[in-house]
Amino acid sequence: SQKIEQNSEALNIQEGKTATLTCNYTNYSPAYLQWYRQDPGRGPVFLLLIRENEKEKRKERLKVTFDTTLKQSLFHITASQPADSATYLCAPGGDSGNTPLVFGKGTRLSVIA
Amino acid sequence: GAVVSQHPSRVICKSGTSVKIECRSLDFQATTMFWYRQFPKQSLMLMATSNEGSKATYEQGVEKDKFLINHASLTLSTLTVTSAHPEDSSFYICSARPGLITGNTIYFGEGSWLTVV
Repeated sequence: SQKIEQNSEALNIQEGKTATLTCNYTNYSPAYLQWYRQDPGRGPVFLLLIRENEKEKRKERLKVTFDTTLKQSLFHITASQPADSATYLCAPGGDSGNTPLVFGKGTRLSVIA
Repeated sequence: GAVVSQHPSRVICKSGTSVKIECRSLDFQATTMFWYRQFPKQSLMLMATSNEGSKATYEQGVEKDKFLINHASLTLSTLTVTSAHPEDSSFYICSARPGLITGNTIYFGEGSWLTVV
C-alpha cells in the first residue's frame, strides 16, 4: 500500500534560518506532489504543487524539490519567521480528477524568535 | 485560489442525534469532493470520495450507513453523521478539485468541529 513519511513529527528552528522538511513516499509513482500548511483548528492551505518533470519550484521564500528516483520531496522555507510556525503536509497525487490526496502525518514546525 | 466553504464551523450535538455538515465550492464546479476526518494531533484521514449524482466511495473501515454523503449538485456535498456518539467527535474537513481551471490542486474547506455530548 502507499506510504508517505515526513521526516520528523516536530522541527524547531531559529528565526532567520532555513527550515528543511522531508517527504518520502513508497509503493507509489505520483505524477505530482503538493505541499500544504495547516494551522491548529483550520483546514489545510495549499502552498505549492510540483510535477514529476519539474526538479524544483519556488514561491517567495518557499522552495520545493522533487526527486522521483529517490521518491522524495524536500520543502524549504528560507529566512524563517515565527509566523511560519505550523504543520506542513505533503501529498503525492495522480492526474485523475477523482483521485483523493493521501497525506503524510505532517511536520510541526516551530520557528523560535 | 479556489474557495471551498464548510458549514457549520462548530457544532455540538447530543449523543444519538444526527448532524449535517455542508461543503460548498463557491467559485467553481466540483464533480468530486473528498471528506476527511482529523483527530487531535493526527493526520488527515480520508473517509470518502463524494461523486455528484452517484454514490459515494467509502474508505475501508468507514461505515457508509453512519456517515451519509450526498452530492446533489456540482457545488454542494453534505456529510451527515447519523446516531452520533462521543467517539465521533472530531474535525471534519472537505476538499474539492477545480479541475482544468487550476490544474490538479485540491482546495480545502475550513473544517467543521463536531462535539458529541
